[in-house]
Amino acid sequence: KAGVTQTPRYLIKTRGQQVTLSCSPISGHRSVSWYQQTPGQGLQFLFEYFSETQRNKGNFPGRFSGRQFSNSRSEMNVSTLELGDSALYLCASSLVVDPGTGELFFGEGSRLTVL
Amino acid sequence: AQSVTQPDIHITVSEGASLELRCNYSYGATPYLFWYVQSPGQGLQLLLKYFSGDTLVQGIKGFEAEFKRSQSSFNLRKPSVHWSDAAEYFCAVGPKAAGNKLTFGGGTRVLVKP
Repeated sequence: KAGVTQTPRYLIKTRGQQVTLSCSPISGHRSVSWYQQTPGQGLQFLFEYFSETQRNKGNFPGRFSGRQFSNSRSEMNVSTLELGDSALYLCASSLVVDPGTGELFFGEGSRLTVL
Repeated sequence: AQSVTQPDIHITVSEGASLELRCNYSYGATPYLFWYVQSPGQGLQLLLKYFSGDTLVQGIKGFEAEFKRSQSSFNLRKPSVHWSDAAEYFCAVGPKAAGNKLTFGGGTRVLVKP
């Protein structure tokens, strides 16, 4: 069974640009969550999607957005990039969603560097 | 607001020795509790979880954790460490009725000496 796939794995952007990251969950998993990992702030929850609807949202500015498609694949977008957005962005999928159980299967992440 | 504290940022242990990683949480009720491990350049992998019932839970790779309600702790242990256990370990909590939103601790990096 294929795991969670994130693309691209590495990318470099400049301040002010925008970026879109993609996540394909494990087959059959309908919940997709996104986390930001930085050395200073650690792992922080961005948002969770289920059935194309955002179920939970973390404390991030509106520049961070996401969506989920009917096949459960998800994308997240960061607009007007800032240096502080440099991070490893982790996607995680889950089978159980109502209620959630926190049993997350993580991808290897997309490492974003903002110059 | 819920929070998770992992007091030890780094731990160095000799191969074959025992390992204990500490985790304390702050939450209004007993949440779901988890330990995840992250190897360099990798995503996170679930080691074990506590939902309810027996307070000593067994996980993968020979790890176990004990939930102590009175101390709001969920410490991770392994009797004999292998070199492949070198990684970063994260404790996490999740509210029981709020989806898959987890709050992670800051992590403990484990170094294994030969």
